[in-house]
Amino acid sequence: AQKVTQAQTEISVVEKEDVTLDCVYETRDTTYYLFWYKQPPSGELVFLIRRNSFDEQNEISGRYSWNFQKSTSSFNFTITASQVVDSAVYFCALSHHSGGGADGLTFGKGTHLIIQP
Amino acid sequence: DTGVSQDPRHKITKRGQNVTFRCDPISEHNRLYWYRQTLGQGPEFLTYFQNEAQLEKSRLLSDRFSAERPKGSFSTLEIQRTEQGDSAMYLCASRSGLAGSDTQYFGPGTRLTVL
Repeated sequence: AQKVTQAQTEISVVEKEDVTLDCVYETRDTTYYLFWYKQPPSGELVFLIRRNSFDEQNEISGRYSWNFQKSTSSFNFTITASQVVDSAVYFCALSHHSGGGADGLTFGKGTHLIIQP
Repeated sequence: DTGVSQDPRHKITKRGQNVTFRCDPISEHNRLYWYRQTLGQGPEFLTYFQNEAQLEKSRLLSDRFSAERPKGSFSTLEIQRTEQGDSAMYLCASRSGLAGSDTQYFGPGTRLTVL
């Protein structure tokens, strides 16, 4: 069975601070995908990034960066110079590789990020 | 390219009533997913379709729940004899079936309140 753990239930930082959201996963699959989604107060899940299990390159997109470490089954997300608009619940998710058929996402419980002005 | 849409956005019903939700995926996305999200939790997978075929159902999907995608486009999720425990946000997602297009895009959800 697949499992995603986001141990940080809530994080509160002051604007412009850097913040890292942790994600640890469990799977027996050899190929899989990892995702991060953002859920602002409006409720809609917004896709941020997808990472293949065979691609361990870290990625940077503007103020966002992701650190994928297969050895520790972690896929952490860092926001640099946080802004109030970053306040949201962030979810890490895991799926089978689509070539394996069923690919419903397994989500963590989310981390509620609060950026204070 | 319009996103995933869901209707209604909110539904309040009394226990024991039947409710039906609709999801319109991104056009040309042949895979469609339903999830349920309760307060303070991450979304939980319910079921998914490839075109009109329902290929997987979670054990969360009791026999009171039924989903259809008759023409491989929009989908409906029906809950019969609703219970207070069914109160949740019901999310729909879709994705392309093309190789390498494994990202699911979500709709705004339907929030169900069972009184």
